[in-house]
Parts: sequence; structure tokens; C-alpha cells
Amino acid sequence: QQQVKQSPQSLIVQKGGISIINCAYENTAFDYFPWYQQFPGKGPALLIAIRPDVSEKKEGRFTISFNKSAKQFSLHIMDSQPGDSATYFCAASIGNAGNMLTFGGGTRLMVKP
Amino acid sequence: GAVVSQHPSWVICKSGTSVKIECRSLDFQATTMFWYRQFPKQSLMLMATSNEGSKATYEQGVEKDKFLINHASLTLSTLTVTSAHPEDSSFYICSAGGPAETQYFGPGTRLLVL
Repeated sequence: QQQVKQSPQSLIVQKGGISIINCAYENTAFDYFPWYQQFPGKGPALLIAIRPDVSEKKEGRFTISFNKSAKQFSLHIMDSQPGDSATYFCAASIGNAGNMLTFGGGTRLMVKP
Repeated sequence: GAVVSQHPSWVICKSGTSVKIECRSLDFQATTMFWYRQFPKQSLMLMATSNEGSKATYEQGVEKDKFLINHASLTLSTLTVTSAHPEDSSFYICSAGGPAETQYFGPGTRLLVL
């Protein structure tokens, strides 16, 4: 049973546009929601993370929006750049962020120049 | 920042041989490390949780006798793929719970079994 569902599977955005990736979770015990960026042949790198006590967190061009009642969270990439082209994974865990992560299926983002 | 390394970065081996992959936390101690497997264009699949000084916890469907995990110190966990076969070819990634309650990932090891 996939506990974290991610959409879309792939996304094409023009340079300067906004990229939006959505995730939905089932387990209400999840209380830590990170987003990871992965380039081909590399390990995932933490982009930004949020806990349920806030509805939004922004770091530079990256924003997480969190809707606890809907059990959904999303990543917004503002002013998308070709260098943002990568695969993005949402994830969720319980308690300490060093605990086991449940990953979404991933979104392959391509930003066209 | 916290860094996790993996060695080797890629390995090619013959079917039937065993391959050991090392995962090290370079500048922090990690009581818990995780091993993932990733097929092309797919998400990360957790294989096992490695706890320092104790037996690893394997996810359902992962053969513990085939994928041997040893977490002998707070900075090193190893994954040994025993009697590797072509279907074991994959991208293996480790991670470790590090500072600021964040999980850090290694760069991955690509295994190709001929």
C-alpha cells in the first residue's frame, strides 16, 4: 500500500514559470514532510522540509504548502530554471527526521530554456 | 554540512560473486542508517534499517540472507550482496540520520551484475 502518493509523474515547465508538485499521505501519524531533489546517478539531496504545525515554509525559490486536514502537501518552485531539471521526491516520516522515510513515487521535472 | 559517502560508486561483477558496499557518515555519528534500492525511473525502495550494534531490520520481501547488513560502528554500515545475479543490478543508496534531525543520503552505488 503506497502511503504517500505523488503527482504528476512528469512535468514540463518553461523557464521562469512555476513548478507545482503535489503529494497526499494516508498515515496521520506522519509529522515530518521533506522534499528531496535527485539528479541522474546521484543520491537525493534535501531541499526543504515542513512539520504540521505550520501551513507554509519558504526557502528561496522553494515553498512547501501543507494542508493537514486534507492530508496533502505540495512543493512550489518559483522562477523555475533549467538547472532545476531533476527528479523530485516527497517523503514523510514519524517523529525524528532521522527516522524511516516513506517516499512518494517521484516527479521528473524538465524546465525548458 | 553533514556528509555521507559510499564506496564504491559503481561496481561490475560476475554472476555468483559477492559485492560489499560501504556507507560512511564522514562528520557525524549515525546510530541508524538506511539502505535503499532504486530501479531506473522509480522511487527509492527501503530495503533495511541498520542499527549500530544490533541486527538490521529488513523490509518485507527483502532476503536478509542475500543482502547482509553490518553496522559495526557509528560511522560505518556495509551492505553485502551475496551470490549476486543480474536481477540484483540496481542503484543502491544509503542514508543516515544526522544533525538537525535530518536524514542525509549518500551518492549511491551502481551495481551491474553480468
